[in-house]
Amino acid sequence: EIVLTQSPGTLSLSPGERATLSCRASQSVSSSQLAWYQQKPGQAPRLLIYGASTRDTGIPDRFSGSGSGTDFTLTISRLEPEDFAVYYCQHYGSSPLTFGGGTKVEI
Amino acid sequence: QVQLQESGPGLVKPSQTLSLTCTVSGASISSGSYHWHWIRQPAGKGLEWIGRMYSSGSTNYNPSLESRVTISLDTSKNQFSLKLNSVTAADTAMYYCARRGDLWGRGILVTVSS
Repeated sequence: EIVLTQSPGTLSLSPGERATLSCRASQSVSSSQLAWYQQKPGQAPRLLIYGASTRDTGIPDRFSGSGSGTDFTLTISRLEPEDFAVYYCQHYGSSPLTFGGGTKVEI
Repeated sequence: QVQLQESGPGLVKPSQTLSLTCTVSGASISSGSYHWHWIRQPAGKGLEWIGRMYSSGSTNYNPSLESRVTISLDTSKNQFSLKLNSVTAADTAMYYCARRGDLWGRGILVTVSS
């Protein structure tokens, strides 16, 4: 089982600032089968990025993903008020699929 | 527009079986090479993958739940289902169904309590 460790646990930033979220895997993630989700209170998670770096349909270009192997990053170039939420990484290659513990981006 | 909707009892007694259904609208559950997932989230905690079923019928489960979980497909009703037996309070959570990772239901809260 691939264990995903996200850091930091909480990121305190202001609108307009840049957010850099990390996701580290316990073993190499094949074919960059790594996704990022955003979850706001009371809502289901929303897919932002798949394949480590491909934005899902309708996702603003201020969201970008990078990385390969065991180290992945989600960057939000300029935080908008609606971006304050919890972010999860997930590997979706071989079973079992696993999620990271999440990073909360707060004001 | 494809939508997913979870349904089932919101309260289950300890040791009984939790049964949930996800109804897919706007597309056929048996078309394409999609896979259909169940994920859960205890209040205030992170996401836990439960398992997935491919349109072909093959399944994968989280090893931590595998002995208690069954996911099945009902193509005639365009639904897929989750059964989790011998539940305890630790199974209390919001349960989500999802198509791959790109489309999720709104979730259903299931509480295990006598």
